[in-house]
Amino acid sequence: KAGVTQTPRYLIKTRGQQVTLSCSPISGHRSVSWYQQTPGQGLQFLFEYFSETQRNKGNFPGRFSGRQFSNSRSEMNVSTLELGDSALYLCASSLASPSNEQFFGPGTRLTVL
Amino acid sequence: KNEVEQSPQNLTAQEGEFITINCSYSVGISALHWLQQHPGGGIVSLFMLSSGKKKHGRLIATINIQEKHSSLHITASHPRDSAVYICAVHPYLRDDKIIFGKGTRLHILP
Repeated sequence: KAGVTQTPRYLIKTRGQQVTLSCSPISGHRSVSWYQQTPGQGLQFLFEYFSETQRNKGNFPGRFSGRQFSNSRSEMNVSTLELGDSALYLCASSLASPSNEQFFGPGTRLTVL
Repeated sequence: KNEVEQSPQNLTAQEGEFITINCSYSVGISALHWLQQHPGGGIVSLFMLSSGKKKHGRLIATINIQEKHSSLHITASHPRDSAVYICAVHPYLRDDKIIFGKGTRLHILP
């Protein structure tokens, strides 16, 4: 069974631009969660999607948004990028809920210049 | 004070030693995860616990719900165990938003 895939793996953007990251969950998994990891703050929860609906959202500004498609693939978007958005963005999939076992993707490393 | 505290923050040990990493939390939880992150970023879920004890190979995880504490043990440690170990909890309240500890960086010397 293929694991969670994320594209792109690396991305360099400049301040003010926007970016879209993609996550394909394990086949059959309907819950997709997104996380941001920085050296200062560690791992932080961004949002969780289930059956195309956002079920939960972390404490991030509205510049961070996401969506999930009918095939459970998910995208997250960050608009008006700031230097502080430089981070590793991880997605994880699970059968039905993040409190079930989660399977993480390799992450997308975003650098904002 | 963080809601999830891990100790120690850093740990260096010799190959073969018994390793213990601790996680304390301050909220009521429905589940606790132990995660492993190797250099390069990939994260692997090691255990998901809601009570008791689980064992997988050389790894053992325990949780005491009353004391709000969990431990991850590694027996016969090996250099390939070198990684960051992260504790994460799902609170009963607050819409089940997962909270992560800051991680414990483990380095096993050959």
